Amino acid sequence: TQLLEQSPQFLSIQEGENLTVYCNSSSVFSSLQWYRQEPGEGPVLLVTVVTGGEVKKLKRLTFQFGDARKDSSLHITAAQPGDTGLYLCAGVETGANSKLTFGKGITLSVRP
Amino acid sequence: NAGVTQTPKFRVLKTGQSMTLLCAQDMNHEYMYWYRQDPGMGLRLIHYSVGEGTTAKGEVPDGYNVSRLKKQNFLLGLESAAPSQTSVYFCASSPPRDRRLRYTFGSGTRLTVV
Repeated sequence: TQLLEQSPQFLSIQEGENLTVYCNSSSVFSSLQWYRQEPGEGPVLLVTVVTGGEVKKLKRLTFQFGDARKDSSLHITAAQPGDTGLYLCAGVETGANSKLTFGKGITLSVRP
Repeated sequence: NAGVTQTPKFRVLKTGQSMTLLCAQDMNHEYMYWYRQDPGMGLRLIHYSVGEGTTAKGEVPDGYNVSRLKKQNFLLGLESAAPSQTSVYFCASSPPRDRRLRYTFGSGTRLTVV
């Protein structure tokens, strides 16, 4: 059983559209992160959220941590082809503070 | 400003051969990790280290060994490679005493075992 479930697994949209993707778990996390990975490269950290209900914005990307710190969402406004990539969420389980647990990722394709 | 450097970037091995993957970081990070990434499986932790001279098993440690003799280096060894170890391997590191564990990843090593 995957500790962090990401959905949808694949998403293909047109440039300019909005989208929301999700990262869900039954476990509580002390912090949760989102990474973006491009082909042939390692994941790159986008944001870290630590407080239940926290919302962070990174240009057109909005990240939210659930009130109970079990889930997170990523909303992209007016998607651009440069947003194409694999989006990974990862969390630090409460009480397990030396390693991250990763979801399987969401493959996003933004068509021009 | 190198960050995390992995060598080699690509390698083809024959079944039964051995090899060592090198990860080097220049950010004075305490924690270092080795992951493998496979289609449909996501990133899975192989081994990790919370400091020089220490190592611990992750989710999929079988068939791999690691060493952390120097703080800046974390080596991943395959003693007898198997086709099931064909994968992309990523090393990551995290700052000391950062409970949020913000990883910096290397660019990966693509390993094919034939």
